Amino acid sequence: TQLLEQSPQFLSIQEGENLTVYCNSSSVFSSLQWYRQEPGEGPVLLVTVVTGGEVKKLKRLTFQFGDARKDSSLHITAAQPGDTGLYHCAGEYASSNTGKLIFGQGTTLQVKP
Amino acid sequence: DTAVSQTPKYLVTQMGNDKSIKCEQNLGHDTMYWYKQDSKKFLKIMFSYNNKELIINETVPNRFSPKSPDKAHLNLHINSLELGDSAVYFCASSQAGLISYNEQFFGPGTRLTVL
Repeated sequence: TQLLEQSPQFLSIQEGENLTVYCNSSSVFSSLQWYRQEPGEGPVLLVTVVTGGEVKKLKRLTFQFGDARKDSSLHITAAQPGDTGLYHCAGEYASSNTGKLIFGQGTTLQVKP
Repeated sequence: DTAVSQTPKYLVTQMGNDKSIKCEQNLGHDTMYWYKQDSKKFLKIMFSYNNKELIINETVPNRFSPKSPDKAHLNLHINSLELGDSAVYFCASSQAGLISYNEQFFGPGTRLTVL
């Protein structure tokens, strides 16, 4: 079974702290995406990374794709209460040609003021 | 304008009933998907259609039957509902969905509760 291990599953921090969410697999991805989901809504895409070693920044969020394209991380600097939400990593395995996305288990982030 | 819409938003029904969830996208996308999100918030693909052609059909019980009358619509019909079918079901769409790095746009979800 191909899996995408996402950790931690729950994170509760104070405003201003930094945090990192990880996604790991033993298989190679052709691309990896990060989504954010608010309660009662569907996930919304934050970023897509496709090249090994790629780093993308979105304001205080930094996304990294591992050199071997087997892992990715999301780092949030100086977290704010507005960052609270459910974060998903999702990717397509390099061996797939159907556009099928495999999702990690999700990380529920709570940022307390 | 809503990009991906689903109806109903909430669905409460008895075991054994048959129900349908409708999905429409006005983005002009070629590909549409159904996902199931369980109580632990894990998202799992169920089906995808590209230009009305079934592309992905995961190991889903055959009580679940998707139908795509045109590329803007993908409905999900569920026969003989079971307790374990309780979940949030998300519809999504993307342009050229066979390329994974295209953004998927998700609907607001349908919370199905089977009693």
